[in-house]
Amino acid sequence: NAGVTQTPKFRVLKTGQSMTLLCAQDMNHEYMYWYRQDPGMGLRLIHYSVGEGTTAKGEVPDGYNVSRLKKQNFLLGLESAAPSQTSVYFCASSFWQGPPLGYTFGSGTRLTVV
Amino acid sequence: GNSVTQMEGPVTLSEEAFLTINCTYTATGYPSLFWYVQYPGEGLQLLLKATKADDKGSNKGFEATYRKETTSFHLEKGSVQVSDSAVYFCALRSASNYKLTFGKGTLLTVNP
Repeated sequence: NAGVTQTPKFRVLKTGQSMTLLCAQDMNHEYMYWYRQDPGMGLRLIHYSVGEGTTAKGEVPDGYNVSRLKKQNFLLGLESAAPSQTSVYFCASSFWQGPPLGYTFGSGTRLTVV
Repeated sequence: GNSVTQMEGPVTLSEEAFLTINCTYTATGYPSLFWYVQYPGEGLQLLLKATKADDKGSNKGFEATYRKETTSFHLEKGSVQVSDSAVYFCALRSASNYKLTFGKGTLLTVNP
């Protein structure tokens, strides 16, 4: 099925460990986004990309890095995980044309940092 | 900047009750407005959208009307079902900024 695929779905990390979350989309979308979802906070944008080879910071970028080497993939990295990064992470993608188009979301990665 | 304010939950209703979830927004220009739904353990799905004033978005029995004069986009359903239990997010996307701005979400629980 076409859409946005996130891997892994669950992960437990120890404080200080590193990991990479992978987002892949097969809809030829130009824009891709990483959000985190925390209770009472809604969704907050971490980083986004408007095209292959480009990335930009969102609302809460500290402690995360991203890369978009291929149009279909958007990677989110945690270099040194902290308990404050325990969250559910969602990737999304969209076309560039105009506001009326919404996003397509992945099913999320639940990350726990102990 | 852009912002979205939606009613805080949780909202608990009995099956077949009427649902309203309020959403108001602040934005420059003429944004597009969206409602997303998140079922337990899943990602967000687009429920409905409206792109200009007085447009009505509808899907699966849900409706919302873009009211520019009151900067609102309230979600309504005449008769909710247990399967509607989910978190609902109001969002906007302005003409000058392709990023979506979300409200904090409203948890709806429908009891049989």
